[in-house]
Amino acid sequence: AQSVTQLDSQVPVFEEAPVELRCNYSSSVSVYLFWYVQYPNQGLQLLLKYLSGSTLVKGINGFEAEFNKSQTSFHLRKPSVHISDTAEYFCAVSDGFTGNQFYFGTGTSLTVIP
Amino acid sequence: GAGVSQSPRYKVAKRGQDVALRCDPISGHVSLFWYQQALGQGPEFLTYFQNEAQLDKSGLPSDRFFAERPEGSVSTLKIQRTQQEDSAVYLCASSARDSSSPLHFGNGTRLTVT
Repeated sequence: AQSVTQLDSQVPVFEEAPVELRCNYSSSVSVYLFWYVQYPNQGLQLLLKYLSGSTLVKGINGFEAEFNKSQTSFHLRKPSVHISDTAEYFCAVSDGFTGNQFYFGTGTSLTVIP
Repeated sequence: GAGVSQSPRYKVAKRGQDVALRCDPISGHVSLFWYQQALGQGPEFLTYFQNEAQLDKSGLPSDRFFAERPEGSVSTLKIQRTQQEDSAVYLCASSARDSSSPLHFGNGTRLTVT
């Protein structure tokens, strides 16, 4: 089974500063990678996805992520954060070999400080 | 509807009561997933349906948990004889086809067992 590791449980960052949220997954032949955002009392909303092709993926709200196969990583970045980016962020992976299961990390709580 | 709908949003049950949680997926979505999210944790897989067939129920924590999707659309997660450790947010998600299709989540049902 796949596993997903989000090394940072909490990330505080000042408004307009850049941020990187880290995600590593266990290796597999081929994987699909996703980042989701969860605002309080809401479900998860898709930020971006990597299926194949270009390793740099752009998503909504100015976020992007880079797939690095050799390091089995899929880190999420934003060059300048806003107060409204304060939320919980989850990295997820699926590989198509385990009955369409999606595996989630434990999440990173991003707090943007005014 | 436009998105995945879950009801009720909040449910308080006394220990030992049975509860039923409903999920209306996006129309036409083949795959439906149930996840359990404890406070401060990522979603944990419970079970997966493809149309009306329950293809994977390996994540159900005990035989008190039961899920169905009899007509391949609406799904119900039932928990019998609820225990305090069942307190969590239960998330439903649907996707169009396979593991390359992102999950679309509902807002969840927060279950509190007293």
